[in-house]
Amino acid sequence: DAGVIQSPRHEVTEMGQEVTLRCKPISGHDYLFWYRQTMMRGLELLIYFNNNVPIDDSGMPEDRFSAKMPNASFSTLKIQPSEPRDSAVYFCASSWTGEEAFFGQGTRLTVV
Amino acid sequence: TQLLEQSPQFLSIQEGENLTVYCNSSSVFSSLQWYRQEPGEGPVLLVTVVTGGEVKKLKRLTFQFGDARKDSSLHITAAQPGDTGLYLCAAGGTSYGKLTFGQGTILTVHP
Repeated sequence: DAGVIQSPRHEVTEMGQEVTLRCKPISGHDYLFWYRQTMMRGLELLIYFNNNVPIDDSGMPEDRFSAKMPNASFSTLKIQPSEPRDSAVYFCASSWTGEEAFFGQGTRLTVV
Repeated sequence: TQLLEQSPQFLSIQEGENLTVYCNSSSVFSSLQWYRQEPGEGPVLLVTVVTGGEVKKLKRLTFQFGDARKDSSLHITAAQPGDTGLYLCAAGGTSYGKLTFGQGTILTVHP
C-alpha cells in the first residue's frame, strides 16, 4: 500500500484566497483524521470521520474551515478565506481501529 | 476534554546515555500510542499499549503503561543520534476515535 497520500506538499497563498488540501487514506481504513501542527500548539485534531461521516469537528478553529469526505478514498480540507495565522503543517491520517493512526507527509501551508 | 501532558519538553543528551520520557493524564485510556516524528515527515507509530502495567520492548526502546492506564513512559537505552526526533504520545480516551496527542518531547542525541 502507498500509505496516506496528501497533496500538495507545499502551498503558498495570499491572504484571502481559498486553499484546498487533499487526502487519500489507506484503503480499508474506516477512520480519517485531519490535524494541524504548529510549534506553539503542537498537533491539534481538527476533525475526524468514521465511514465517511464527520463525527467530531469541535477542533475546527472557525467557520472558515470546512472538511468533506465524499467517498472512502478521498477527503478535502478547505480554508476560505485564508489568513496568515492559518500557516501550519496540515496532516491527514487514517486508521482501521480509530486508535492507531497512519499519517501522510503533510501539507506545509504558508499564507502571506 | 482529556489532556495528555508530556515531559520533558526538550531533552538534549550525549550518545550512549539513557533517557525516559513521560506521558501523564487524569483520564483513563483504553489504549495509548507512542509515535516518532522526524523533520518534514508525519508521525510514525512505534507502539500501542493496552493493558495496565504492560511493558513492551522495541530494540532499545521500552514502553510501559501505568497500572491505572492513565500514564505511560518511554525509556531509551544507550541513545544514538538516529533516535533524534519528536516523540509523541496519543490516546483515544472516552470518545472512541477522537485521537489526541500530547505536546511532544523533542529529543536531540549528540554524537
